[in-house]
Amino acid sequence: DTAVSQTPKYLVTQMGNDKSIKCEQNLGHDTMYWYKQDSKKFLKIMFSYNNKELIINETVPNRFSPKSPDKAHLNLHINSLELGDSAVYFCASSPWDRFSTTTEAFFGQGTRLTVV
Amino acid sequence: QQPVQSPQAVILREGEDAVINCSSSKALYSVHWYRQKHGEAPVFLMILLKGGEQKGHDKISASFNEKKQQSSLYLTASQLSYSGTYFCGTFAYSGAGSYQLTFGKGTKLSVIP
Repeated sequence: DTAVSQTPKYLVTQMGNDKSIKCEQNLGHDTMYWYKQDSKKFLKIMFSYNNKELIINETVPNRFSPKSPDKAHLNLHINSLELGDSAVYFCASSPWDRFSTTTEAFFGQGTRLTVV
Repeated sequence: QQPVQSPQAVILREGEDAVINCSSSKALYSVHWYRQKHGEAPVFLMILLKGGEQKGHDKISASFNEKKQQSSLYLTASQLSYSGTYFCGTFAYSGAGSYQLTFGKGTKLSVIP
């Protein structure tokens, strides 16, 4: 009965490859996020997706693209992987209110991506 | 713009108290606190919604001063289980009527016997 699930949990790949990380939530939430956590443990928001509205953090390279086939899924596609992409990627979801300020976020267990 | 947390790290002995601060240069509508243990996902602790509001969760409580755009997390009589990295999160306006949950850089708390 995992609320937010990500697959795979670990991903090791070579530079230049294209990979995807899947995220699914069964909480009925309207908003989903992707965060990148680097070796310094900084949780950096990459995208948020609410009701088909995508908000992209301006520092995210365009090699990263989220895809949402439906409200319960927000997958992350990464093209031409680079060494610096190595990190733990967390998916999260939350209910939505007008300002989305009063609701907690539920995190998936994370995907540790290692680019070699 | 992300909130600023202090201190970056703190080491406590069991039973000691600690305070973690979070501040923002922008107006805050709410402050969220999360704890992340090593190798795990962040877990929600509490949300503070109103200026001057205080909340408690076991021996962990927090205050929110909306006017000063600050929040503090108080850990009293710390236990070994309190060890982890604490993040404060704020909803920053990202344009077009949308907000994003943005986190500070975290405070690593280590409780030792």
